[in-house]
Amino acid sequence: GESVGLHLPTLSVQEGDNSIINCAYSNSASDYFIWYKQESGKGPQFIIDIRSNMDKRQGQRVTVLLNKTVKHLSLQIAATQPGDSAVYFCAETPDTGNQFYFGTGTSLTVIP
Amino acid sequence: GAGVSQSPRYKVAKRGQDVALRCDPISGHVSLFWYQQALGQGPEFLTYFQNEAQLDKSGLPSDRFFAERPEGSVSTLKIQRTQQEDSAVYLCASSLGLAVYEQYFGPGTRLTVT
Repeated sequence: GESVGLHLPTLSVQEGDNSIINCAYSNSASDYFIWYKQESGKGPQFIIDIRSNMDKRQGQRVTVLLNKTVKHLSLQIAATQPGDSAVYFCAETPDTGNQFYFGTGTSLTVIP
Repeated sequence: GAGVSQSPRYKVAKRGQDVALRCDPISGHVSLFWYQQALGQGPEFLTYFQNEAQLDKSGLPSDRFFAERPEGSVSTLKIQRTQQEDSAVYLCASSLGLAVYEQYFGPGTRLTVT
């Protein structure tokens, strides 16, 4: 079956530092990947996505890196702010999929 | 603009009761998804609609779970004879196109079965 896992369940960083959240996936057919941010009591919010034909994509303060060789995905947040405190999920789907497979999540705490 | 809305936000049911959870997707969104999120876990897929057609219900945990989207917009997830293991947050998501990409999630309904 599908398996999407995160290396660290919790991460604490100082405000202004960079954050790196990692994710491993097992399905070599995975084609599309998304990072979601979920704040307490809210649904997941789209952050950034990447397709399997890319290895890097940048957004505003966020960068996603994809290493298909080792089936690893990471989310980098630059100059982390208190508002970035949340649980971050990676999710993936194969090319012909109609559902996302989510990891367990990493809880990011930003220390002011 | 309006996002995905869900109601009720919280539901407490006694074991054995039936519940109905509603999802209002973003207007015009073709695809609609239901997920179940247990405490401390990532969302798990339940079912997927394309307009009014339920194309995938492989994630529904038992035949007590039933979902419909009769007019291709609002969707209802019904759970019959609720059990304690049904306690979770039920998330609805919609996307504009036919594919699964860029799903927009609602706030979820937290169901507690006592």
